[in-house]
Amino acid sequence: QQQVKQSPQSLIVQKGGISIINCAYENTAFDYFPWYQQFPGKGPALLIAIRPDVSEKKEGRFTISFNKSAKQFSLHIMDSQPGDSATYFCAASDPNDYKLSFGAGTTVTVRA
Amino acid sequence: DTAVSQTPKYLVTQMGNDKSIKCEQNLGHDTMYWYKQDSKKFLKIMFSYNNKELIINETVPNRFSPKSPDKAHLNLHINSLELGDSAVYFCASSQDLGRVYGYTFGSGTRLTVV
Repeated sequence: QQQVKQSPQSLIVQKGGISIINCAYENTAFDYFPWYQQFPGKGPALLIAIRPDVSEKKEGRFTISFNKSAKQFSLHIMDSQPGDSATYFCAASDPNDYKLSFGAGTTVTVRA
Repeated sequence: DTAVSQTPKYLVTQMGNDKSIKCEQNLGHDTMYWYKQDSKKFLKIMFSYNNKELIINETVPNRFSPKSPDKAHLNLHINSLELGDSAVYFCASSQDLGRVYGYTFGSGTRLTVV
């Protein structure tokens, strides 16, 4: 049973465009929401994370928006670059969890 | 280099064989994990160890047996391999349940059962 639902499965964006990936969860005990980036042949790596006490967090061209009442969060990649082409995973955990529950992943392709 | 390293990177084997994957981290983390990534890239937790103690065993067939000789090592032994075991297996480690600095993943072991 997938605890974090992620969409779309894949997206293609032109260089300079905005990529948007959405995630939703049901478990109200979740209080930590990271995003991981995975390049082919590599393991996932932490990109950015948010906690529910803030509605937005920005790091460079990457922004997480968080809607606690809707139990949804999203990743925006501004000014997308070919080097951003990768698979992105949202995830969630609760304070006592010895695991991260991952979404199904979104493969982003940035066309030059 | 500080990292999570796993060996081998590729493993091709026949059905019914037994194989092991090794993982080591030199980050001083307390918690180590095994995740399975299937052909659709879905990442699923298999096991979680904290200070050598098994914390999570996520309904994994008992053909899979993790072993943690110390908190820097977490190995995975798989008996009687089946076609459905073909996947990429990732080892990861974290401190503070990964809620400050995240998980550090290894580069994965691609297991192909033929």
